[in-house]
Amino acid sequence: GAGVSQTPSNKVTEKGKYVELRCDPISGHTALYWYRQSLGQGPEFLIYFQGTGAADDSGLPNDRFFAVRPEGSVSTLKIQRTERGDSAVYLCASSSIAGGVRDTQYFGPGTRLTVL
Amino acid sequence: QKEVEQDPGPLSVPEGAIVSLNCTYSNSAFQYFMWYRQYSRKGPELLMYTYSSGNKEDGRFTAQVDKSSKYISLFIRDSQPSDSATYLCAMISERVTPLVFGKGTRLSVIA
Repeated sequence: GAGVSQTPSNKVTEKGKYVELRCDPISGHTALYWYRQSLGQGPEFLIYFQGTGAADDSGLPNDRFFAVRPEGSVSTLKIQRTERGDSAVYLCASSSIAGGVRDTQYFGPGTRLTVL
Repeated sequence: QKEVEQDPGPLSVPEGAIVSLNCTYSNSAFQYFMWYRQYSRKGPELLMYTYSSGNKEDGRFTAQVDKSSKYISLFIRDSQPSDSATYLCAMISERVTPLVFGKGTRLSVIA
């Protein structure tokens, strides 16, 4: 079956602009995670959804970042008034909640965001 | 001090060598430990998943967890050029929660 997909694969924007990044999880996965990976670093947690609701948004760096998952499937990460420091790869992952290795997080290829 | 420490390398080995990668952590609540492999410009993919202390083997890969020392390792036997990638350790204290990653170790296996 299809894996996690993310669009766009690359996004170049200017400082101050608004961007939306989309994640399509694996069908049937109820848990969805957003991470941010800066160059030479491991992924860092941003926000986690269980179904439609944000179960944990403690990783969002400030109120310019917001994410939604209105129907419990596709999620959109929204960044307002982008800054150069927002440049990174934004990764999405999804998992089931079945237990053991079955709740492994499967990652998408990421969206590479560049803020000029 | 970060919760998970991992030497970023780079690590360069000849083909056929045994590779040892490791991470240390500070949070004693961690009990699920994973190793992910990430090729350039790709998302991380799961290699090994271990619960609590002990060893787990899968083909050329062996994962070890020592909770008393807060130390985890990944061994790769008979390394191949296709193993060249960044290896990320990750861990969680409870199921279905966000992963805490190390910085990743960049490995090059030279033919």
